[in-house]
Amino acid sequence: QQQVKQSPQSLIVQKGGIPIINCAYENTAFDYFPWYQQFPGKGPALLIAIRPDVSEKKEGRFTISFNKSAKQFSLHIMDSQPGDSATYFCAAWGSGAGSYQLTFGKGTKLSVIP
Amino acid sequence: GAGVSQTPSNKVTEKGKYVELRCDPISGHTALYWYRQSLGQGPEFLIYFQGTGAADDSGLPNDRFFAVRPEGSVSTLKIQRTERGDSAVYLCASSPAGDGTEAFFGQGTRLTVV
Repeated sequence: QQQVKQSPQSLIVQKGGIPIINCAYENTAFDYFPWYQQFPGKGPALLIAIRPDVSEKKEGRFTISFNKSAKQFSLHIMDSQPGDSATYFCAAWGSGAGSYQLTFGKGTKLSVIP
Repeated sequence: GAGVSQTPSNKVTEKGKYVELRCDPISGHTALYWYRQSLGQGPEFLIYFQGTGAADDSGLPNDRFFAVRPEGSVSTLKIQRTERGDSAVYLCASSPAGDGTEAFFGQGTRLTVV
């Protein structure tokens, strides 16, 4: 059972564009939603995270939008740069979910072309 | 060290052999996790340690997989009688929070079973 669904699978944008990656979850016990960035041959790096008590969080060029009622959250990358080209994973975790694991989406491969 | 360190970076082994993968977490992090990432997929949870004990091993696929953390710092993931389907990148993460949040990943060990 895939508990976190991520889309699109891949995304190509021009430099300066605003790629948007979407995730949806099913388990209402989730209460922590991080995004990870992964470059080839490297481990995932924590980018930004949000809790459901806020609807939006910004850190630099990265913004998470969160819709608790729809059980959806998304990552926006402002003024995207070629160096942002990587695979992005959303994830979810819940103190009441009965487990200590992060549940990941399948990833979105982003390519930012100059 | 400054980050989570995993050794070796790459491991090629023959089917049926035994392998050990090592993880050095960030100093002071009490929580340690092992994940497995197959090509084109998000990381999948294997096991979680809080201190020396395995608090959640629900992700271990079968009894060929075992992990230890005897002194509450370094952890070793052990795989017996390796199979070709075990080929993947094995990721270790540590967290200061003692739960699933703020997990920092190592670069992973790429295991290839031939």
